[in-house]
Amino acid sequence: QKEVEQNSGPLSVPEGAIASLNCTYSDRVSQSFFWYRQYSGKSPELIMSIYSNGDKEDGRFTAQLNKASQYVSLLIRDSQPSDSATYLCAVNLMEYGNKLVFGAGTILRVKS
Amino acid sequence: DAGVTQSPTHLIKTRGQQVTLRCSPKSGHDTVSWYQQALGQGPQFIFQYYEEEERQRGNFPDRFSGHQFPNYSSELNVNALLLGDSALYLCASSSPVGSGNTIYFGEGSWLTVV
Repeated sequence: QKEVEQNSGPLSVPEGAIASLNCTYSDRVSQSFFWYRQYSGKSPELIMSIYSNGDKEDGRFTAQLNKASQYVSLLIRDSQPSDSATYLCAVNLMEYGNKLVFGAGTILRVKS
Repeated sequence: DAGVTQSPTHLIKTRGQQVTLRCSPKSGHDTVSWYQQALGQGPQFIFQYYEEEERQRGNFPDRFSGHQFPNYSSELNVNALLLGDSALYLCASSSPVGSGNTIYFGEGSWLTVV
């Protein structure tokens, strides 16, 4: 079983819609969770981090964490064509000292 | 405040050769990790350096080795290159665990093995 799983997509949404990206993880001791955005040919860029159950909002982005279900999601409101990228979910196995385990990423395409 | 810097940005090597990639961590960070990202996949953890020692290692062969210097900068060395080593190599820096463990990536080094 993969440690971090994401739907590879592509997920296509119209401009202005809400994009919902999902991620599940297998390690119950994971303490912190991250969403990175990666444009083609570029390195991952941190867009959200979440540590506690519930929602965390930052501008158009909302991260949701449910540790009991081992599930983390990212909502992008008012999606823009510039949001088109691969979104990587990462789990920090802190007991191993800041080691990130990544999913394979979900490709998001926002159509104008 | 400079972020994580990596060099070179792109390089092409021949199968069997050796390569050295370099990384300077973000100011205030003392922990450096290296990741390999093959096309279409998420980054895979190679190893991590702290206080000039390899603290932990992912599932990579001994051909992959590294070093951390007293100024916290780091090198990744890959010997006997294989075609499958072609990937984006990412350096990540962080502060000690428990002090705000946000991890930042550099722009990466694109390695092509021909």
